[in-house]
Amino acid sequence: DVVLTQTPSILSATIGQSVSISCRSSQSLLDSDGNTYLYWFLQRPGQSPQRLIYLVSNLGSGVPNRFSGSGSGTDFTLKISGVEAEDLGVYYCMQATHAPPTFGGGTKLELK
Amino acid sequence: EVQLVESGGGLVQPGRSLKLSCAASGFTFSNYYMAWVRQAPTKGLEWVAYISTGGGSTYYRDSVKGRFTISRDNAKSTLYLQMDSLRSEDTATYYCTTHNNYDYWGQGVMVTVSS
Repeated sequence: DVVLTQTPSILSATIGQSVSISCRSSQSLLDSDGNTYLYWFLQRPGQSPQRLIYLVSNLGSGVPNRFSGSGSGTDFTLKISGVEAEDLGVYYCMQATHAPPTFGGGTKLELK
Repeated sequence: EVQLVESGGGLVQPGRSLKLSCAASGFTFSNYYMAWVRQAPTKGLEWVAYISTGGGSTYYRDSVKGRFTISRDNAKSTLYLQMDSLRSEDTATYYCTTHNNYDYWGQGVMVTVSS
């Protein structure tokens, strides 16, 4: 199975600070159809996951544009440009290029 | 408004069975591959299984292969997960989600396997 390694595991930030989360894959996530099936999710405490980014860099419906995704191949990044209180929770990357789909271990974003 | 509502969870003894349901509304259910994802208490997310639009193609993670069966009824816009020979390590909150791009998620249903 593809292993996704997220860093850091815990991220402390102040409101308004810009932060980044890294997601590194054990294999290239570029599919033979030309797409890269890499997603980012936020799970707020007590809630189900919410998709933020799909196909590496596409913003999900209703997701604020302070979130952005980038990367290719095996290295991917989620950036939050100006953390807000509602952004606190655990962030997960996920790949669906290779079966079975796999998730990263998660990055907990907390207030400093 | 899109809704995915899971049901059927609860406390069950090891070795017994449970069937989860996920009722979908607000989108064309039959056009979407669907999946189950679970989360053990205080742990991360773990993909379990997915099913194609017509139900003819399914895929399972190794640890549930032969014990879990994913199915769907497009006429009822409902996804199912039949879980047999349950183990303590299957204890988790189970979420149904759209496999196409993981854009819609249910609120989750708790399954506890314990004697």
